[in-house]
Amino acid sequence: GAVVSQHPSRVICKSGTSVKIECRSLDFQATTMFWYRQFPKQSLMLMATSNEGSKATYEQGVEKDKFLINHASLTLSTLTVTSAHPEDSSFYICSALGDLNEQFFGPGTRLTVL
Amino acid sequence: AQSVTQPDIHITVSEGASLELRCNYSYGATPYLFWYVQSPGQGLQLLLKYFSGDTLVQGIKGFEAEFKRSQSSFNLRKPSVHWSDAAEYFCAVAPNLYSGGGADGLTFGKGTHLIIQP
Repeated sequence: GAVVSQHPSRVICKSGTSVKIECRSLDFQATTMFWYRQFPKQSLMLMATSNEGSKATYEQGVEKDKFLINHASLTLSTLTVTSAHPEDSSFYICSALGDLNEQFFGPGTRLTVL
Repeated sequence: AQSVTQPDIHITVSEGASLELRCNYSYGATPYLFWYVQSPGQGLQLLLKYFSGDTLVQGIKGFEAEFKRSQSSFNLRKPSVHWSDAAEYFCAVAPNLYSGGGADGLTFGKGTHLIIQP
C-alpha cells in the first residue's frame, strides 16, 4: 500500500526558533498533500492544503506566515513552523492524496517548544 | 460548514463483545465518509469508506459501517472485538469530490477512545 513518512518523528526546540517538518510519499506521487494539527486528546484539524508547484491554501485562522508550506516536488512537502512558541507545541500530521482520492497519512511529528 | 460528531469520548467493551461507535455528520449534501483508527505511535489507518452505492460497507479487521441518510449517521460496528482493537477511532467527512471537483482536506470528529476489558 501507499506509504507516507514524516521526519522528524519528534522535535524539541527553544522558543523563537524555526522547525522544519518533512512529509514524503515513498511509493507514489502526490500532487496534493494536506497538513493537520492534533492537540492532546483532540481531533485533527486541517491546517492547509499543499499543491505541488503552487502556493498552499490555508484554513481560516491559520497564519500562513507562521506555518510556511513548500511542496517542491511530487513526493515532498515541508511545513516550517517559524518563530515557534510553546503554544505551537502539538502533533503535526501530513497526508498525501493518492489514487481514487484516498488520503494516506504519515505517522506524525511531535513538536515541543520550550 | 460541515461538522462531525462522535458523541462517545470513551467506550469500554469486553473482549469478544460487539462494538458500535457512533458518528453523525452535518453537511448540505451527501459527503464522502470515512472511519480511521489511530494507535499510539502510528499513523492513521483507513478502516473503511463510503462514497456511494451499498450503504453497508465492509472494511478491514472485521469492521463494517452503515450509512443512514435519514439520520445523517455512519456508525462503525464490529461483531466481536479483540484486545488489539484498543485504539482511538475517528470518523471523518469530505465534500463529495465528484460534485465540486478538486480535493479537500478531511473534517474529523473528536474521536472515540476504545478500551478493551479482558
